[in-house]
Amino acid sequence: AQKVTQAQTEISVVEKEDVTLDCVYETRDTTYYLFWYKQPPSGELVFLIRRNSFDEQNEISGRYSWNFQKSTSSFNFTITASQVVDSAVYFCALSEAGIYNQGGKLIFGQGTELSVKP
Amino acid sequence: GAGVSQSPSNKVTEKGKDVELRCDPISGHTALYWYRQSLGQGLEFLIYFQGNSAPDKSGLPSDRFSAERTGGSVSTLTIQRTQQEDSAVYLCASSLVGGVLQETQYFGPGTRLLVL
Repeated sequence: AQKVTQAQTEISVVEKEDVTLDCVYETRDTTYYLFWYKQPPSGELVFLIRRNSFDEQNEISGRYSWNFQKSTSSFNFTITASQVVDSAVYFCALSEAGIYNQGGKLIFGQGTELSVKP
Repeated sequence: GAGVSQSPSNKVTEKGKDVELRCDPISGHTALYWYRQSLGQGLEFLIYFQGNSAPDKSGLPSDRFSAERTGGSVSTLTIQRTQQEDSAVYLCASSLVGGVLQETQYFGPGTRLLVL
């Protein structure tokens, strides 16, 4: 079965703290894609990163970094030196690339609500 | 360039009425997706269009839900005889192509539907 689990429902940190959002996935496919989206209070889902299953190299983009580990089926997201503007709900999503998902639909986790306080 | 747009942004309707939600994808994007976001169910896939055809309708919750896409561009999601459990935010996304390439989906601002 395909499933994405974000065990942390809510996280609250103080500005400048580092914070890691966890994502664990289950899939039948050997080829798949993982995504992170941010949903600020305005409501629109904003794309952050896309990673395919053959690329386990970690990625850093400014204060954001992602750790992809196939051995533990995890794709965790770290924000370094958090800021108030990082407050949002963050979603991890999976898209299988095999015959089970020829359209590319996304399976989302339940989301983690991050609150960064000044 | 312009992103995905959706209209209306908010819709309040009475139980039993029909509603139409519109999505205008990013220009040049051939794939279009509808999702629903509700408190109880999170973000759920509804339907996928490639061009004007819908190869994957597996997420439509009942036969009261239908969608069409014309000219490979604008899509309309129709909910007939609305029920209170249909209250949710309906999100549209588009990508350059659909299918196995798994291109990134870009989302619109959503339509917040409230059924009284």
